[in-house]
Amino acid sequence: SYVLTQPPSVSVAPGQTAAITCGGNNIGSQSVHWYQQKPGQAPVMVVYDDYDRPSGIPERFSGSNSGNTATLTINRVEVGDEADYYCQIWDSSSDHPGVFGGGTKLTVL
Amino acid sequence: QVQLVQSGAEVKKPGASVKVSCKASGYTFTSFGLSWVRQAPGQGLEWMGYISTNDGSTKYAQNVRDRVTMTTDTFATTVYMELKSLRFDDTAVYYCARGYWYFDVWGRGTRVTVSS
Repeated sequence: SYVLTQPPSVSVAPGQTAAITCGGNNIGSQSVHWYQQKPGQAPVMVVYDDYDRPSGIPERFSGSNSGNTATLTINRVEVGDEADYYCQIWDSSSDHPGVFGGGTKLTVL
Repeated sequence: QVQLVQSGAEVKKPGASVKVSCKASGYTFTSFGLSWVRQAPGQGLEWMGYISTNDGSTKYAQNVRDRVTMTTDTFATTVYMELKSLRFDDTAVYYCARGYWYFDVWGRGTRVTVSS
């Protein structure tokens, strides 16, 4: 089944820009979705279909996807953005279509 | 508002079964399928499967396919996930989430502990 690879951790200072990557074979041909999960809470979708934002998600969150890498970018990072972030695709050609990346812990220094 | 309300925590012995419910409200139930995602302690998210609330068709993950059953009750706007022959490594928080392509609304999770 399809494999999504994320770095285990990313650190950034408040006010700076964080980029969280999600690697996969020709992932640019897939639609990628991103979720934020804070400790003890359910995940929350922050980006869907590569770059669209659900209502209520700040414009500071954006996504891109090309080639073998999708990226979630968080501009002007705030302390409250500290969380685990997961990428996800739906591989309709697979017998195991729902795929999550392993997650990235964003630490705001 | 759109909500998914899940049943309470469960403690089960190895070999037993557990059935978790997820009640949807705030939207037209049959317009969206529902998926189940679990998270073992300290681990990432794992997709378990999906059920269409229209016709009850399902798609299950390979690693639980022979042990999981997802059902839907349109009248009660509730979906259920039953996992049989529980093992210690089934200990996890089980989430229901709206959709299958992506998951835009999540329940708060149901903790299932498998312990002897």
